[in-house]
Amino acid sequence: DAEITQSPRHKITETGRQVTLACHQTWNHNNMFWYRQDLGHGLRLIHYSYGVQDTNKGEVSDGYSVSRSNTEDLPLTLESAASSQTSVYFCASSESIGYRHEQYFGPGTRLTVT
Amino acid sequence: AQKVTQAQTEISVVEKEDVTLDCVYETRDTTYYLFWYKQPPSGELVFLIRRNSFDEQNEISGRYSWNFQKSTSSFNFTITASQVVDSAVYFCALTGGAQKLVFGQGTRLTINP
Repeated sequence: DAEITQSPRHKITETGRQVTLACHQTWNHNNMFWYRQDLGHGLRLIHYSYGVQDTNKGEVSDGYSVSRSNTEDLPLTLESAASSQTSVYFCASSESIGYRHEQYFGPGTRLTVT
Repeated sequence: AQKVTQAQTEISVVEKEDVTLDCVYETRDTTYYLFWYKQPPSGELVFLIRRNSFDEQNEISGRYSWNFQKSTSSFNFTITASQVVDSAVYFCALTGGAQKLVFGQGTRLTINP
C-alpha cells in the first residue's frame, strides 16, 4: 500500500544545531507539504513543492529550508534550531491534477529544541 | 487571504448525544475546496471529507454528516449518536487555486461514557 513516512518520529536537539527531518511518500504525488502544529494555531504551512526542483515558502518559513531532488522525498532542514521551533511537524502529499485532491499526512515528527 | 475559523475550542458531550462542530471560512476564490480532518489521540491526521464550492449538497456517511452553506460561508460537521471513539481534535481546512491547505485552529471533542 502507498504511504507517507516521516523520520525520526521523535527528536531532541540543542539550540543552534542543524536538524533535518525526512519525509518519504510512495503515492507518486507531485505535491508535497510541510506543516507545523502548535497549540492554539492549528497547522501552519512551512514549505511546499509542486514537483522536482520546485520549492515554495509557506506562512512560517523563516529558519526552515527544503529541497526536492526526486518525487518521493521532501526533507525539511532547520538551519539553526531555536526553542521556538519546538513543535510537531507533519509532512503531506497530494496529487497535482487540479486542486480538489485531499492531502495525505505522515505520522508526524515531534521535535524538541532545548 | 484565506481564513478558516473554528470558534469552538473544546466541546464535551455524553455518549449518544448529537454534536455539531462549526466551521466558517473566508476566501476570494470562486472555486475552492473544503475539508474536514480528524486527529485522534494517537496523533495522525485522518481525511474525512472533501467538498467543492460548486456542490452545496449535504453529505451523510454513517453517523457523520456535513452541511455546506455558501450563503453563510459555513461547512459544519455533525456527529449523530456520538461514541467515545469519536473523541479527537477535528480540523476544518480550505484550499484554493494554489493547492495549499489553510487550517482552522481545531475543535477538541471529548465524548464521555
